[in-house]
Amino acid sequence: GESVGLHLPTLSVQEGDNSIINCAYSNSASDYFIWYKQESGKGPQFIIDIRSNMDKRQGQRVTVLLNKTVKHLSLQIAATQPGDSAVYFCAEIQTGNQFYFGTGTSLTVIP
Amino acid sequence: GAVVSQHPSRVICKSGTSVKIECRSLDFQATTMFWYRQFPKQSLMLMATSNEGSKATYEQGVEKDKFLINHASLTLSTLTVTSAHPEDSSFYICSAISDSPNTEAFFGQGTRLTVV
Repeated sequence: GESVGLHLPTLSVQEGDNSIINCAYSNSASDYFIWYKQESGKGPQFIIDIRSNMDKRQGQRVTVLLNKTVKHLSLQIAATQPGDSAVYFCAEIQTGNQFYFGTGTSLTVIP
Repeated sequence: GAVVSQHPSRVICKSGTSVKIECRSLDFQATTMFWYRQFPKQSLMLMATSNEGSKATYEQGVEKDKFLINHASLTLSTLTVTSAHPEDSSFYICSAISDSPNTEAFFGQGTRLTVV
């Protein structure tokens, strides 16, 4: 996997609103994608995944959308709660276990 | 799901000393583990790729003699920060790749290193 130490873009949402976090990936050959959540001072945790043969997958309060035409991935969080405040980043996985992580987005939920 | 255990979670050491951080895959074998460094409000920065039974592959700009990586078994990789200095203070995170049932990266809890 590769990543670069960059300052994170930020997103602020009101509690109860829906959040949309976006990720652009680089390789059209990537066939598996994962969203991770990283709370302050902790390691990243798996949220939801999607394979390239799907364009939408739903979990509990989260939905991932995949647009292979424009190589774009999004994470939608419904009814955002204060506990959702964290850094979210996507990973694209290519054949051969090549992991590439996105920069990440810092989500702040305003009570 | 699979678990990756990283130890210690916090360490404070004096300048000039060395610190070892362990990364263990508890219920799966990982031929590949990654070590990251993270500064506040920044993304993960890959330091090196650790391969079981062979030398680690370091990213450009990462000193291999400063950050020693050993991947002696399929469940353990260690990162040793040698002759630590205050500028080495950071959050270090490991991840391990599991191939079953799907290819997925599992992360350790992270280690907060403070060099005084």
